[in-house]
Amino acid sequence: GAVVSQHPSRVICKSGTSVKIECRSLDFQATTMFWYRQFPKQSLMLMATSNEGSKATYEQGVEKDKFLINHASLTLSTLTVTSAHPEDSSFYICSAPIGKNTEAFFGQGTRLTVV
Amino acid sequence: GEDVEQSLFLSVREGDSSVINCTYTDSSSTYLYWYKQEPGAGLQLLTYIFSNMDMKQDQRLTVLLNKKDKHLSLRIADTQTGDSAIYFCAERGNTGGFKTIFGAGTRLFVKA
Repeated sequence: GAVVSQHPSRVICKSGTSVKIECRSLDFQATTMFWYRQFPKQSLMLMATSNEGSKATYEQGVEKDKFLINHASLTLSTLTVTSAHPEDSSFYICSAPIGKNTEAFFGQGTRLTVV
Repeated sequence: GEDVEQSLFLSVREGDSSVINCTYTDSSSTYLYWYKQEPGAGLQLLTYIFSNMDMKQDQRLTVLLNKKDKHLSLRIADTQTGDSAIYFCAERGNTGGFKTIFGAGTRLFVKA
């Protein structure tokens, strides 16, 4: 079946540095990908919709200058957490639907810890 | 905006059936999902149902959909200790870029 690969699965970074997370669709093309964030013991909150060839659409309250999204190709979207702070520590997960009327597949998630 | 609600906790004895309930608001929902998340892990898609169905059964799992009331349930038969996890209800509609909206998750505790 379709697979979405997310890398890295875990990352620890120093406060003030930037971290890039990749989301790849392995055997299908995804013009749209979604980025979610999950705080401990909470649900997944949609951060933004990544659109291939155009700007990402951010949900209310999500800082677009802090969470940079690039959807450079039909199989890759990246989320860069810029100038990371400890409060950015979270579980980030991406998803990609095959088409408009099909299920969405999720990556395995990235656990970011900012120290 | 779209909203998905579910109870936060459920505790059952091993061997009993578990029923996790969920309500949603988006009338344009096309897909409704149940995901399982074990501690420290990502999401595992358990099952999903199209909005034009009212029931789907897959081994120990039974999904019931009441589209009129926008109510979804997941029944786990013969619940085992390995079923202890957080279960997320999610819906995907035809608006807003077809994004998937999640409920807060129901933490299932299975007592031996």
